[in-house]
Amino acid sequence: DGGITQSPKYLFRKEGQNVTLSCEQNLNHDAMYWYRQDPGQGLRLIYYSQIVNDFQKGDIAEGYSVSREKKESFPLTVTSAQKNPTAFYLCASSPSRGQGARMNTEAFFGQGTRLTVV
Amino acid sequence: AQKITQTQPGMFVQEKEAVTLDCTYDTSDQSYGLFWYKQPSSGEMIFLIYQGSYDEQNATEGRYSLNFQKARKSANLVISASQLGDSAMYFCAMREITSWGKFQFGAGTQVVVTP
Repeated sequence: DGGITQSPKYLFRKEGQNVTLSCEQNLNHDAMYWYRQDPGQGLRLIYYSQIVNDFQKGDIAEGYSVSREKKESFPLTVTSAQKNPTAFYLCASSPSRGQGARMNTEAFFGQGTRLTVV
Repeated sequence: AQKITQTQPGMFVQEKEAVTLDCTYDTSDQSYGLFWYKQPSSGEMIFLIYQGSYDEQNATEGRYSLNFQKARKSANLVISASQLGDSAMYFCAMREITSWGKFQFGAGTQVVVTP
């Protein structure tokens, strides 16, 4: 089955610890995204990557880091510098224009990881 | 500045009634696309419908339709004949030609369908 896998579904960490959220896709998509979802604030873009070994900051990148060493994988690290890390994190992917994506090509999402920092 | 605005945090609708979810957007691009997603309580994001800035007709997809008013920069989602399974969070999103790589989302509207 093609899709995006985020693991784990629920994650608990102590304050001050870094934590890495996994996102793997087997859709062969060039582009991958990380969003944070908080009640009443919708989805806010943390980082996105258009191609392997390249990524850009989104609107709320502070306190987060990413890597894109493989096309299939786009892990997100929530560092201790992130002041309010408790949230629901969604990973997404989409084809690039080079892969034939058009304006109407949607983003495909994983099931999300709910991170709670105590 | 907020690119996508959804002003209705929550709505109740009776089964079999229609409901309209508001979405306004801000862009100076001539070419852009607008997307609506549904998020049930499970958290997954389900793509519903798309409207392109150059599309002359309003998009329709089954019970979903878009009321696209380009001059007003609004793309409201209409769900006809609501069903209990329509209870979910609904998000409006935009992709602009000048920032192809980014999908920008609104705050969402929580819809509760009552019997």
